Amino acid sequence: DSGVTQTPKHLITATGQRVTLRCSPRSGDLSVYWYQQSLDQGLQFLIQYYNGEERAKGNILERFSAQQFPDLHSELNLSSLELGDSALYFCASSDRGGGYQETQYFGPGTRLLVL
Amino acid sequence: DAKTTQPPSMDCAEGRAANLPCNHSTISGNEYVYWYRQIHSQGPQYIIHGLKNNETNEMASLIITEDRKSSTLILPHATLRDTAVYYCIVRVAAGTALIFGKGTTLSVSS
Repeated sequence: DSGVTQTPKHLITATGQRVTLRCSPRSGDLSVYWYQQSLDQGLQFLIQYYNGEERAKGNILERFSAQQFPDLHSELNLSSLELGDSALYFCASSDRGGGYQETQYFGPGTRLLVL
Repeated sequence: DAKTTQPPSMDCAEGRAANLPCNHSTISGNEYVYWYRQIHSQGPQYIIHGLKNNETNEMASLIITEDRKSSTLILPHATLRDTAVYYCIVRVAAGTALIFGKGTTLSVSS
């Protein structure tokens, strides 16, 4: 158990809908990262927040957005869902904002299926 | 990013040591080598990391060559539960995200 929690574990929805994925980092960690893992793309970085502020962006679509709240939990919002958004979504947390020697700990993921 | 090259798959007998190689010939002086693994569709699990010295923890050992161009992750006594995809990642200076390649699928059999 990494100490990172994600809800829900599974999500089934229809195209065009909007969903919210939630992540609670390990106690004391300030950074939250979101990653997407699809069958054809592998694990890809989406976005990072550090202590409530956006720190870095990866291959995140404009239909996707995220935020980190004062209690440091984070939410990833996915809207206008398409079939291709079906994937595993992981969040990871760390006690740093990046750098050479930063260890990220991953949650169990949310499996999203768009029908 | 320093690119890494790993064999796509490896097999190991249960109880034997699993030695997973990784090439990172373009690694820079301050970049660390990290290893993660992903069991089935679970979240990636941190294993170990190092800079230039060999490292050991309760999960594995990491051997980095003197020129730092390659490394080997060693699982001393592989079990069936070690069957997973193993990712070798080099942390870069400016970026903060982990860049995952395709990794090595390790299959441990009895």
